[in-house]
Amino acid sequence: QVTLKESGPGILQPSQTLSLTCSFSGFSLSTYGMCVGWIRQSSGKGLEWLANIWWNDDKYYNPSLKNRLTISKDTSNNQAFLKITNMDTADTATYYCARTFTGDYFDYWGQGVMVTVSS
Amino acid sequence: DIQMTQSPASLSASLGETVTIECRASEDIYSNLAWYQQKPGNSPQLLIYDANSLADGVPSRFSGSGSGTQYSLKINSLQSEDVASYFCQQYNNYPWTFGGGTKLELK
Repeated sequence: QVTLKESGPGILQPSQTLSLTCSFSGFSLSTYGMCVGWIRQSSGKGLEWLANIWWNDDKYYNPSLKNRLTISKDTSNNQAFLKITNMDTADTATYYCARTFTGDYFDYWGQGVMVTVSS
Repeated sequence: DIQMTQSPASLSASLGETVTIECRASEDIYSNLAWYQQKPGNSPQLLIYDANSLADGVPSRFSGSGSGTQYSLKINSLQSEDVASYFCQQYNNYPWTFGGGTKLELK
């Protein structure tokens, strides 16, 4: 059974760095073709893809966030991570991690973690 | 970036009705398109991948079609549990992009 769960600080101040963890089970990020991605959704709005990390450590980022994103993984502990620097109130959103495998679509999603940026 | 334009933004339909949601890509995405359903308070769930393949466990009243830049999601015989927002996503090119969503309500 594939499950993913996001964790994060909940609230942080402008200019701080957001660190998110995706803990998953039911698959391994060392398996050929496996990928974990991060997607966010502002309140009542649409979905924005942020980054992907693949089984072979290939990484892809949304250029709209320029150099603020860093994605990484800990294969041994079944975790993936996302860091976003210089957080702003506009980054307030629910952040999801999700899996892709055998196809470049997200077949399993976590429940999401809400992150609020406020002074 | 490939822009995904979804229509309509909102839709009201009756139980048993057939509903169609459209998604237009700004360039050819070669059927590399997925549809997701998101119920209030929940995370998105995969419905359709590769434009017309039904994801595991998804009722057969859902179907996808299209090619090139034009794609659609059809829901036959609308059920109350289909009230949700629906999003398309292209995965032909990075950055992967989503449509703006369609909010489906019961009339």
